[in-house]
Amino acid sequence: DADVTQTPRNRITKTGKRIMLECSQTKGHDRMYWYRQDPGLGLRLIYYSFDVKDINKGEISDGYSVSRQAQAKFSLSLESAIPNQTALYFCATRANRGGNQPQHFGDGTRLSIL
Amino acid sequence: ELKVEQNPLFLSMQEGKNYTIYCNYSTTSDRLYWYRQDPGKSLESLFVLLSNGAVKQEGRLMASLDTKARLSTLHITAAVHDLSATYFCAVDHLGAQKLVFGQGTRLTINP
Repeated sequence: DADVTQTPRNRITKTGKRIMLECSQTKGHDRMYWYRQDPGLGLRLIYYSFDVKDINKGEISDGYSVSRQAQAKFSLSLESAIPNQTALYFCATRANRGGNQPQHFGDGTRLSIL
Repeated sequence: ELKVEQNPLFLSMQEGKNYTIYCNYSTTSDRLYWYRQDPGKSLESLFVLLSNGAVKQEGRLMASLDTKARLSTLHITAAVHDLSATYFCAVDHLGAQKLVFGQGTRLTINP
């Protein structure tokens, strides 16, 4: 089983709909992140959380919200989806300690908004 | 604002050749990461570079970091087809584990 699991893997929806993307992890990491990937732009940070009570905006948080339901679960919501939010979304985790630890990524959710 | 730029963005090369991908960043940082992404797949961590002069090697890939020049390189030696992928560098902004990614370099290695 994957250490970082994202659901759904693919989603097609319409403009104006509310959408939730879910991420769960079995790595026991405190830190969790949401990124979006667009062609030619790399990955951009949407929100991040260092523990259940600590949630922070990233570079491109407008139009998104998050919920950290538990140490292992971090959900991303689009309150009213718009076409330019069509992208590949990744969840990532990282151990709290150890400066040499990379972030570990899920398999991604491909979201299309019509 | 931290900006990270990779070049080239696209690279097509023949098997057996050597090449280097460059990653420049705009503000001071001493933590840099390299990731690999296969088409339609997740990102896989390749290297973590934590200090000036750090050099890491794994197989045909070698990464280095020059914090004074704000430059990291990913060198490919005697390329093989299996190394075809998109490679990203990412810089840790202010040491807070808020990664800022480069645009990615799509590497295609032809037989």
